[in-house]
Amino acid sequence: EDKVVQSPLSLVVHEGDTVTLNCSYEVTNFRSLLWYKQEKKAPTFLFMLTSSGIEKKSGRLSSILDKKELFSILNITATQTGDSAVYLCAARFTREYGNKLVFGAGTILRVKS
Amino acid sequence: GAGVSQSPRYKVAKRGQDVALRCDPISGHVSLFWYQQALGQGPEFLTYFQNEAQLDKSGLPSDRFFAERPEGSVSTLKIQRTQQEDSAVYLCASSLGTESSYEQYFGPGTRLTVT
Repeated sequence: EDKVVQSPLSLVVHEGDTVTLNCSYEVTNFRSLLWYKQEKKAPTFLFMLTSSGIEKKSGRLSSILDKKELFSILNITATQTGDSAVYLCAARFTREYGNKLVFGAGTILRVKS
Repeated sequence: GAGVSQSPRYKVAKRGQDVALRCDPISGHVSLFWYQQALGQGPEFLTYFQNEAQLDKSGLPSDRFFAERPEGSVSTLKIQRTQQEDSAVYLCASSLGTESSYEQYFGPGTRLTVT
């Protein structure tokens, strides 16, 4: 069965801390790994990772994929209260009729001021 | 607006009622997806359209769930004879569908509560 597991389930940190969110996956015909941020409404796209070992960065956020060990991490440096959200990762894989995403349950991040 | 829109944003239905949820994808997006998100869980795949063709409906939980996209743009998810376990947020997402631009853009969702 295709599955994505995220850890930790929830995390509370103080402003300025650095956090690392984990995502492991087991899917057949894997294509890429996506990260989303969800704040009480629509998930918003952060990164799509296709190649192993190549870090993607956007401001204080960065992510990397390890296709050998089947996991990805999302780092957030110098956290701010506005980073509080649920962070979802999803594995994209190919099926007979195209690509599908399977999501993890998410990591709830709360940044305290 | 340029994003995915969904309506209604909130829906309360009595058990046994039929409901229809609408999704307007981003203009020009070929692929459209419906997901069901229960509280505290990630979105779970329901069904996928490429233009007007429903290519994958393997995630629909029962034959009470039906989706259509007759003209390859707006899509409707219909749930017949709603049950309490249908209570969830229903998310719609669209994407260009090309290999190099696969990221899915999500709508705000419809929160369905079945009483």
